[in-house]
Amino acid sequence: ETGVTQTPRHLVMGMTNKKSLKCEQHLGHNAMYWYKQSAKKPLELMFVYNFKEQTENNSVPSRFSPECPNSSHLFLHLHTLQPEDSALYLCASSQDRDRGNGYTFGSGTRLTVV
Amino acid sequence: DQQVKQNSPSLSVQEGRISILNCDYTNSMFDYFLWYKKYPAEGPTFLISISSIKDKNEDGRFTVFLNKSAKHLSLHIVPSQPGDSAVYFCAASAGGSYIPTFGRGTSLIVHP
Repeated sequence: ETGVTQTPRHLVMGMTNKKSLKCEQHLGHNAMYWYKQSAKKPLELMFVYNFKEQTENNSVPSRFSPECPNSSHLFLHLHTLQPEDSALYLCASSQDRDRGNGYTFGSGTRLTVV
Repeated sequence: DQQVKQNSPSLSVQEGRISILNCDYTNSMFDYFLWYKKYPAEGPTFLISISSIKDKNEDGRFTVFLNKSAKHLSLHIVPSQPGDSAVYFCAASAGGSYIPTFGRGTSLIVHP
């Protein structure tokens, strides 16, 4: 597979559930990102990892927990979410931290919290 | 407070005509600007960028104009094609942070 792959594509979860989103890239990139796209809101940066180290946490609530075991994989662990957390969650990668012109995005996971 | 604003949620244009998508920003530290394009069920893809040292950058049918004094940029698509129908995101970054800040997006529909 090429590019950035996100699984699952769709996820419905209850507020007491625990689930994980997965992102995988085989582009040889060293930086990986989680973004959140809510309806009628800008694309919001959540977390940045560079060489497996978290370099940015954009004031994200602790019910979202990222994990980057290696430079090819990025997870977002979810627990006790709220209905307002329903959104499209996008993963991206880039060779290194760049100005945005080198980002490759995945297709996203559409999350619905019920 | 939004630092990158796309005030038009949607735009409808006839095939062959010009599409103009607008973007305003508030942070005077932004010095690099980008446009991304997103089709349904796909992730955004980089389209074109411009540095603050320029006021225009062209790539085929796509041209981005930057007006620093007005803190405004625009994307022109000429001629528009039905395949251009997508959501277009404006983004901007500052030299220190590098990570782009995105707008809400504008949905462009090009009618045959």
